[in-house]
Amino acid sequence: GAGVSQSPSNKVTEKGKDVELRCDPISGHTALYWYRQSLGQGLEFLIYFQGNSAPDKSGLPSDRFSAERTGGSVSTLTIQRTQQEDSAVYLCASSWPGQGIMNTEAFFGQGTRLTVV
Amino acid sequence: QKEVEQNSGPLSVPEGAIASLNCTYSDRVSQSFFWYRQYSGKSPELIMSIYSNGDKEDGRFTAQLNKASQYVSLLIRDSQPSDSATYLCAVNLPSYDYKLSFGAGTTVTVRA
Repeated sequence: GAGVSQSPSNKVTEKGKDVELRCDPISGHTALYWYRQSLGQGLEFLIYFQGNSAPDKSGLPSDRFSAERTGGSVSTLTIQRTQQEDSAVYLCASSWPGQGIMNTEAFFGQGTRLTVV
Repeated sequence: QKEVEQNSGPLSVPEGAIASLNCTYSDRVSQSFFWYRQYSGKSPELIMSIYSNGDKEDGRFTAQLNKASQYVSLLIRDSQPSDSATYLCAVNLPSYDYKLSFGAGTTVTVRA
C-alpha cells in the first residue's frame, strides 16, 4: 500500500476484554514502532521491531500488553484484560532504516482510537 | 537524562513572527534528526529532516543542527495560524539498533 495502514480505526470494548490492533507497514520497511497517545499527551513509546533483531519491549506498560510481527511485515498489538486507563490512540509507524548509521524518516498510520467502557 | 528533550511549551507567537523550537539529545553518535508536526486529532507528519551540521531551509522552515552541542532547532518564519500544532523532534539512536526516539513535543499557537 501507499502508506501505513492500521485497523480498526476505532474500537470500543468492555473493561476486561482482550483487543487486537493491527498495523500494515509500508512494503519493504524493516522497522516498525507502536506508540500510545492519550488525550493531550505526547507519544508514549511501546515497542520497536527492527528486522530480525529481538524487539525492544522496554515501553510496554504491563504484561497485559504484547506485540508480534509476523514475517517481518504485519504487526499485531494485543491488550489483555483491558482497563479504562488503556483508552488512547494507538499509533503505528514504520521506516526503512537507511544506510549505515543514517535513518530515513518514520511514517505514521492514522491510528486506532481505543475506548474502554 | 532523557534521550530527546524539547523546550517546554506552549509557545504563542503573533502571526508573521518567527517561532523558534529547540531540541537536545543525549546520544553522541546520533546522525539523523527529524521534525514532525502533529495537528490535534491527527497523526504526526514529517516536515524536515537534517543529517549534517548547519542549516537546512525548506520554504518557511529552517532546521539547524549542531552535533558538537547535541542540539537541533526548528525555525518557522512568517508564522501562520495554520502552523498552530505540536512539533515533535525525533533523533535516531544507533546505540539502540537505530531506534527513533521522540521528544515530548512543543505546542505552538500562532495568534492572528
